[in-house]
Amino acid sequence: GAGVSQSPSNKVTEKGKDVELRCDPISGHTALYWYRQRLGQGLEFLIYFQGNSAPDKSGLPSDRFSAERTGESVSTLTIQRTQQEDSAVYLCASSLAAGVSGDTQYFGPGTRLTVL
Amino acid sequence: GDSVTQMEGPVTLSEEAFLTINCTYTATGYPSLFWYVQYPGEGLQLLLKATKADDKGSNKGFEATYRKETTSFHLEKGSVQVSDSAVYFCALTGGYQKVTFGTGTKLQVIP
Repeated sequence: GAGVSQSPSNKVTEKGKDVELRCDPISGHTALYWYRQRLGQGLEFLIYFQGNSAPDKSGLPSDRFSAERTGESVSTLTIQRTQQEDSAVYLCASSLAAGVSGDTQYFGPGTRLTVL
Repeated sequence: GDSVTQMEGPVTLSEEAFLTINCTYTATGYPSLFWYVQYPGEGLQLLLKATKADDKGSNKGFEATYRKETTSFHLEKGSVQVSDSAVYFCALTGGYQKVTFGTGTKLQVIP
C-alpha cells in the first residue's frame, strides 16, 4: 500500500525514561534501516535488517540502543535510559533487498524525539 | 570507510538562477550514488541516482553525472524555482547497501 510509516511522529520524554519507536516498512520490502538525524546534521546509520539474516548493528551508538524486527514487517527501535543527546529525528527506510547496488531506499516521515 | 563530502550551505539563489551543489565521495569498489531531497516539513525522498560510472541521473530538471575519475556526483539545475527550496543530501551505497550520507546542503530560492 502506502509508503513507510513511523509512529509516533513526535515523542517528548524525560531523561532516564525508555522509549520505543515503530516503523512499518513497505509491504514486500525485505530490507529495513534505521537512521538518526540530529538537528542541522546529516543522517547517521544505526542498524539494518535483511530478511532473516543477523542485523548489522554497527551503527548503534551505545548499548542503550536496540532494535527488533518481526520477520519482514514491523520494526521497533528502543532507547533505554534516554539522554538529552538522544534528541533527534529517527528515520526508518525500507528497500526491496539489501546487497543490490542501486536499490532505492524509501524513507518514512521520521519520529522527532525530544529528551528533556 | 565510505564517506561523502558535499558543499556546505546554506546556498541562496534567485529564481531562475543556475544551481550547482558539489559532492565528492570516497568508497571502495563501485558504489551507487544518490541525491536525496528533504522539503520543509517532509520526509527524505530520492531525487535521482546513478549506478555506474558515466551514468547521468535526472529528475525534475535536476541532473548529476557519476564521474569516477574525479569521484564526484555534482547536482545541477539550469533554472531553480522557489519550490526547489529544500535540503539536498548526496549519498552512496556500497556493497552492503548501507547508505552513507553527506551532511546536507540547504538551498533557499528567493523570488
